[in-house]
Amino acid sequence: DVKVTQSSRYLVKRTGEKVFLECVQDMDHENMFWYRQDPGLGLRLIYFSYDVKMKEKGDIPEGYSVSREKKERFSLILESASTNQTSMYLCASSLPGGNGYTFGSGTRLTVV
Amino acid sequence: KQEVTQIPAALSVPEGENLVLNCSFTDSAIYNLQWFRQDPGKGLTSLLLIQSSQREQTSGRLNASLDKSSGRSTLYIAASQPGDSATYLCAPHGNAGGTSYGKLTFGQGTILTVHP
Repeated sequence: DVKVTQSSRYLVKRTGEKVFLECVQDMDHENMFWYRQDPGLGLRLIYFSYDVKMKEKGDIPEGYSVSREKKERFSLILESASTNQTSMYLCASSLPGGNGYTFGSGTRLTVV
Repeated sequence: KQEVTQIPAALSVPEGENLVLNCSFTDSAIYNLQWFRQDPGKGLTSLLLIQSSQREQTSGRLNASLDKSSGRSTLYIAASQPGDSATYLCAPHGNAGGTSYGKLTFGQGTILTVHP
């Protein structure tokens, strides 16, 4: 069964910590995405990547960076976590053109 | 910038009813449009993908239509069941700010509750 796996289901971090969220897909997809989902704001795109070592800013990239050293892995980095980054983070992957769009189960991050 | 609106925001119906969920989007220059389902606390599951050249797509009790020129899509659910209870999200797939790589823009979703 093909899937997108996010390394943690729940995380609690302290303000100022550097946080890594990991995402791995086994479908050989070119595109990978990081979203955050908040009540009343819906899903918002943070960053996406269309190839290894390539990245593009989404709608809300401030406070985040990403890394894609291998095709199957896309990491989201919070350089210095803040309480306003408490959210549900969702990773997704797809083929070019949006076909085969598949989401992970999400990581609920709480920054205290 | 693409903006997506879904109506209604919430819907509660008895089992067996046929349902209509509406989605409108402001930029008609899209590659395709997808409908997703999200169960509470979970990720999203793709239900239907309609290419920009298509008018509709069907999967079991689900039928989605697309009127690209008017910026509208509709998801029909036939003979609803309690297991259909979830949030349904519409996402047109369009150009990402001048690059050739498209991205999805999501609506806020319709929260559907089907009671026995």
